[in-house]
Amino acid sequence: SAVISQKPSRDICQRGTSLTIQCQVDSQVTMMFWYRQQPGQSLTLIATANQGSEATYESGFVIDKFPISRPNLTFSTLTVSNMSPEDSSIYLCSVGSGQPQHFGDGTRLSIL
Amino acid sequence: ILNVEQSPQSLHVQEGDSTNFTCSFPSSNFYALHWYRWETAKSPEALFVMTLNGDEKKKGRISATLNTKEGYSYLYIKGSQPEDSATYLCAFRFEAGGTSYGKLTFGQGTILTVHP
Repeated sequence: SAVISQKPSRDICQRGTSLTIQCQVDSQVTMMFWYRQQPGQSLTLIATANQGSEATYESGFVIDKFPISRPNLTFSTLTVSNMSPEDSSIYLCSVGSGQPQHFGDGTRLSIL
Repeated sequence: ILNVEQSPQSLHVQEGDSTNFTCSFPSSNFYALHWYRWETAKSPEALFVMTLNGDEKKKGRISATLNTKEGYSYLYIKGSQPEDSATYLCAFRFEAGGTSYGKLTFGQGTILTVHP
């Protein structure tokens, strides 16, 4: 199974700032997924990142707020822009267009 | 909008008790149902991927069943141990191609606490 390194593991940020989360996989994968879990909510897919094309965003998520890069088949970044307290969440990357999916350890983000 | 519901939201049991949770999902366009265990400060760990109606899978003291016609899955833990304390997530994957390939819709999870 894929080994996924995600960083930072946690951060506390000021509102209005931006944070970029990195996800590194130990093997080449076609699709990477970015999820968010707000307090008390389910894991919700933000976007699917494909190498060589623009990310596909789910309803309620936009590129200006959550820009994603996918420069190669082993790496992706998610930026949370212009943060507000509502962005306080756990952010997870995952891989696995097959089954099951494998997840990073997550980024626990708090906005003051 | 896909609705994946899990119950109960939380559960407290004593060590040695057996317990079970429910996941309900749409019964149409079914592709797969996943179960994950998510311990605090760790990544979600895959327990089962179930694809066939009537499937039963087992991993140690944990087992799961699947009914795709009525849209539910049960997860059972026999003889709960404190190390079983975690959030148990189910996730539904529907049959679709293109950009939906591999996409999972998660339930809110069941938080299990096993008291020694």
